[in-house]
Amino acid sequence: QKEVEQDPGPLSVPEGAIVSLNCTYSNSAFQYFMWYRQYSRKGPELLMYTYSSGNKEDGRFTAQVDKSSKYISLFIRDSQPSDSATYLCAMTSQNNNDMRFGAGTRLTVKP
Amino acid sequence: GAVVSQHPSRVICKSGTSVKIECRSLDFQATTMFWYRQFPKQSLMLMATSNEGSKATYEQGVEKDKFLINHASLTLSTLTVTSAHPEDSSFYICSARPGGQGLGGYTFGSGTRLTVV
Repeated sequence: QKEVEQDPGPLSVPEGAIVSLNCTYSNSAFQYFMWYRQYSRKGPELLMYTYSSGNKEDGRFTAQVDKSSKYISLFIRDSQPSDSATYLCAMTSQNNNDMRFGAGTRLTVKP
Repeated sequence: GAVVSQHPSRVICKSGTSVKIECRSLDFQATTMFWYRQFPKQSLMLMATSNEGSKATYEQGVEKDKFLINHASLTLSTLTVTSAHPEDSSFYICSARPGGQGLGGYTFGSGTRLTVV
């Protein structure tokens, strides 16, 4: 079993749709949770990071963490074609030196 | 914000030659840097953790003699792929964590696409 599971998609939605991206994990030592956006042939760009269970909102993005279920989500409201990218979840333990990534979900938002 | 510069962005080399990739932190000191490898449509796989002034820590299955890492200063880490072969062709990405920062401190370079012919 992989430490971090993420459906690679691809996921295609129409412009304006709400997008839900999810990851599950097995290592209860993971304490910090992040979502990165990666455009083709570019390095990942940090979108959101959270520590505690619950929701964190930043503009059109909402990150949700449920530690009891070992499940994290990223919601994108009013999706735009410019949101088309691969979204990677990532997590690390307390020492913050062991980041592990999900496989990444390739998202396409169609105009 | 923190910026990590990675060069070159793309390199093509002949089989058997060595290639050096540089990762620089431009506006902060990075005591720790990380090197990842990413195959098409796959996630980032951590190869090694590089610490300034000490030997890098390699992940299981990564050949330390093939992937030489040097972190000689607080702003520069290099990854040298020695005696490259076509199977080493991949996308290599570095990240750095500013000293003293915890959560959210990872900044990634733009990646290097290596093609070995």
